[in-house]
Amino acid sequence: EPEVTQTPSHQVTQMGQEVILRCVPISNHLYFYWYRQILGQKVEFLVSFYNNEISEKSEIFDDQFSVERPDGSNFTLKIRSTKLEDSAMYFCASRTTLLAIKETQYFGPGTRLLVL
Amino acid sequence: SQQGEEDPQALSIQEGENATMNCSYKTSINNLQWYRQNSGRGLVHLILIRSNEREKHSGRLRVTLDTSKKSSSLLITASRAADTASYFCATRSYSGAGSYQLTFGKGTKLSVIP
Repeated sequence: EPEVTQTPSHQVTQMGQEVILRCVPISNHLYFYWYRQILGQKVEFLVSFYNNEISEKSEIFDDQFSVERPDGSNFTLKIRSTKLEDSAMYFCASRTTLLAIKETQYFGPGTRLLVL
Repeated sequence: SQQGEEDPQALSIQEGENATMNCSYKTSINNLQWYRQNSGRGLVHLILIRSNEREKHSGRLRVTLDTSKKSSSLLITASRAADTASYFCATRSYSGAGSYQLTFGKGTKLSVIP
């Protein structure tokens, strides 16, 4: 069964450094998402992406964040200058536009980011 | 308060018993979904119920939705140790944009004791 994959599974970085989190969505999906989950807290929406542009973004998704689909398979989240509070599990998700299942988002296993 | 609040926060039951988790939300929704998360892992989609549906079944899962009370419940029947996980409800609100962003609750941590 196709699945969303994410790399790396864990990333440790120093405060102020740039990180890029990578995702490979399910191949025929057209909508892509990033969510994050700070330890012990809710999963929070960051951004959605469709047709090579951001569809919606939350208040969390400030100028330090950017997303890109650099090629036909990868979807990346970049944090330009990481802060301690960026430490979280970051989930990528994707969904199809097929009518019967377009509401279901398929999540990757996550990247655990630790900012020191 | 927050959209998508589950209760209880934690639930511990014996294998074979039924587990019921509840979710309340604040705004009008298009649909409500339940996800499972095993410790430190990704989110697995379990079931989706639309705002015009009242009940849905999938295997040992039964979901109800009461839009008048803005609440949903997830029932897992005949629980197994493998059902041990955190369970989240997520709502999709009506939105002019087509992004279908989900709003998650804090989750219920279910422990099924063998």
